[in-house]
Amino acid sequence: DAGITQSPRHKVTETGTPVTLRCHQTENHRYMYWYRQDPGHGLRLIHYSYGVKDTDKGEVSDGYSVSRSKTEDFLLTLESATSSQTSVYFCAIRGDWYNEQFFGPGTRLTVL
Amino acid sequence: KQEVTQIPAALSVPEGENLVLNCSFTDSAIYNLQWFRQDPGKGLTSLLLIQSSQREQTSGRLNASLDKSSGRSTLYIAASQPGDSATYLCAVRRIETSGSRLTFGEGTQLTVNP
Repeated sequence: DAGITQSPRHKVTETGTPVTLRCHQTENHRYMYWYRQDPGHGLRLIHYSYGVKDTDKGEVSDGYSVSRSKTEDFLLTLESATSSQTSVYFCAIRGDWYNEQFFGPGTRLTVL
Repeated sequence: KQEVTQIPAALSVPEGENLVLNCSFTDSAIYNLQWFRQDPGKGLTSLLLIQSSQREQTSGRLNASLDKSSGRSTLYIAASQPGDSATYLCAVRRIETSGSRLTFGEGTQLTVNP
């Protein structure tokens, strides 16, 4: 499982509240990613990081911010959650062998 | 913009059958292609990765092929088992893509009936 954990695994929140999701890895990989998965859209990249304090936007970054203060942790923040951000969120890392990506178990977020 | 399509969206087969899942992509300038398996409510498990210079990769009963010129990859599953039931996703990394970002297809949901 490439040593990736996500917390929380499930969360229900209300519209307008801030939410932070955490991704933790144990293998010191440089690249980390946040995706969301929705029916009819598949997996889409939100943000990614290529090192401590180095991040960049993906294709669906509006309404999300990220931070990476340590190699092992990559945080995804919804500043003011909306119902359209109800989704399953996956964290991934890029391995060292041919840049293969490995995924965490996911966080199911419901915004009421 | 790279687009990835997987057809069919769903497939149901009897146990023991050999089957092929299809993945097509619009931009042939790819760095690699990765096949994943996803069980209901779970994360993605990487099955096979094919570099752009390779034609195929094998792991156990799985064989993935890549034809860049036609923009196609296939995942061949031999002697299917009920435990193979899952959604299979393919994802492509373009050559010039920063951050090694992947573009995913929507997947093929496979059901293998005992």
